Amino acid sequence: AQSVTQLGSHVSVSEGALVLLRCNYSSSVPPYLFWYVQYPNQGLQLLLKYTSAATLVKGINGFEAEFKKSETSFHLTKPSAHMSDAAEYFCAVSDQYTGRRALTFGSGTRLQVQP
Amino acid sequence: DSGVTQTPKHLITATGQRVTLRCSPRSGDLSVYWYQQSLDQGLQFLIQYYNGEERAKGNILERFSAQQFPDLHSELNLSSLELGDSALYFCASSVDVMNTGELFFGEGSRLTVL
Repeated sequence: AQSVTQLGSHVSVSEGALVLLRCNYSSSVPPYLFWYVQYPNQGLQLLLKYTSAATLVKGINGFEAEFKKSETSFHLTKPSAHMSDAAEYFCAVSDQYTGRRALTFGSGTRLQVQP
Repeated sequence: DSGVTQTPKHLITATGQRVTLRCSPRSGDLSVYWYQQSLDQGLQFLIQYYNGEERAKGNILERFSAQQFPDLHSELNLSSLELGDSALYFCASSVDVMNTGELFFGEGSRLTVL
């Protein structure tokens, strides 16, 4: 079964600094990978997704992620953090072959942005 | 606004009771998913329905059940509630069954069991 592991339950950066949130996946077949964001008291919202096209994926709000098969990673980055980026971020995986339709989410990383 | 509506937003009940959470998917979406979010378990997939039929089952307890009605709204029934069932329950919807795309999440129903 596929799974994702997010390294670091909390990440704190200064406003304007690089954001790097780590995600490693485990899947026996090529996966579809996603990053979702959850703002306080809201549901999850899709940031970006990888579905076996380009390995560098650009999403909303200036975020991007790179699929690296050799490292089984799908890390999320943003060159310059903004206060409004403070939220919880979830990496998720979907197996495109076995018929399991739902997303499996990681444990989440809470991003704090310091002024 | 994702277009997914969940009611109630907050619910407080006692152990042993039964509650029903309701979800209306985005217009045109045929798939509905239920997730449970708690501090110790994170986001856990419970169950998926597509056009009225159950399509996938996750870590759903036998005390929990769900259904999707002809108008595509879905209900999650939680019975014989325990303290550990306190959590945020999310409904999400998508247009297709293959889930190659995006899930649209509601704002959740926060259940507190006392």
